[in-house]
Amino acid sequence: EPEVTQTPSHQVTQMGQEVILRCVPISNHLYFYWYRQILGQKVEFLVSFYNNEISEKSEIFDDQFSVERPDGSNFTLKIRSTKLEDSAMYFCASSALGGMDTQYFGPGTRLTVL
Amino acid sequence: AQSVTQLDSQVPVFEEAPVELRCNYSSSVSVYLFWYVQYPNQGLQLLLKYLSGSTLVKGINGFEAEFNKSQTSFHLRKPSVHISDTAEYFCAVSAPGGSQGNLIFGKGTKLSVKP
Repeated sequence: EPEVTQTPSHQVTQMGQEVILRCVPISNHLYFYWYRQILGQKVEFLVSFYNNEISEKSEIFDDQFSVERPDGSNFTLKIRSTKLEDSAMYFCASSALGGMDTQYFGPGTRLTVL
Repeated sequence: AQSVTQLDSQVPVFEEAPVELRCNYSSSVSVYLFWYVQYPNQGLQLLLKYLSGSTLVKGINGFEAEFNKSQTSFHLRKPSVHISDTAEYFCAVSAPGGSQGNLIFGKGTKLSVKP
């Protein structure tokens, strides 16, 4: 069964450094998402991406964040200058049709900012 | 804006007992409702979803949920749990009509099934 994959599973970085979190969505899916979950808190929507552009973004997704689909298979989340409060589990998801269609989630990348 | 409340952060239960995980939502518009499950070290997996029609929705692994519009609830139930059901369960909503399907999650309920 096709699945969403994410790398790395765990990323440790120093405050102020740039990180890139990578996701490979399911191959025929057209809609892509990033969510995050700070330890002990809710899973929060960050951004949705369709047709090579951002569809929606939350207030969390500020200028420090960017997303890209560089090569038709990967979908990346970049944090330019990490802060301590960016420490969280980051989930990538994809769906075929968007809207009410089922989103398939990856296993997540745990980001630790020191 | 929509929000989701999962009232129980942890639910311990014995094997073969019934379980109900509670979810309430608030929204000024109609919503789609979802339950996801997360097993250790895995991603979120869809259990079931309510879009419209019958208020009783059946999902995978013997789970079902009932949409109650008057109580703004979407509680998840299973008549007899197994050890393998030990996981974290997330209720989520999304708003139709113009949305790309962005999900708004509750904080999750950790179900612990004991032998």
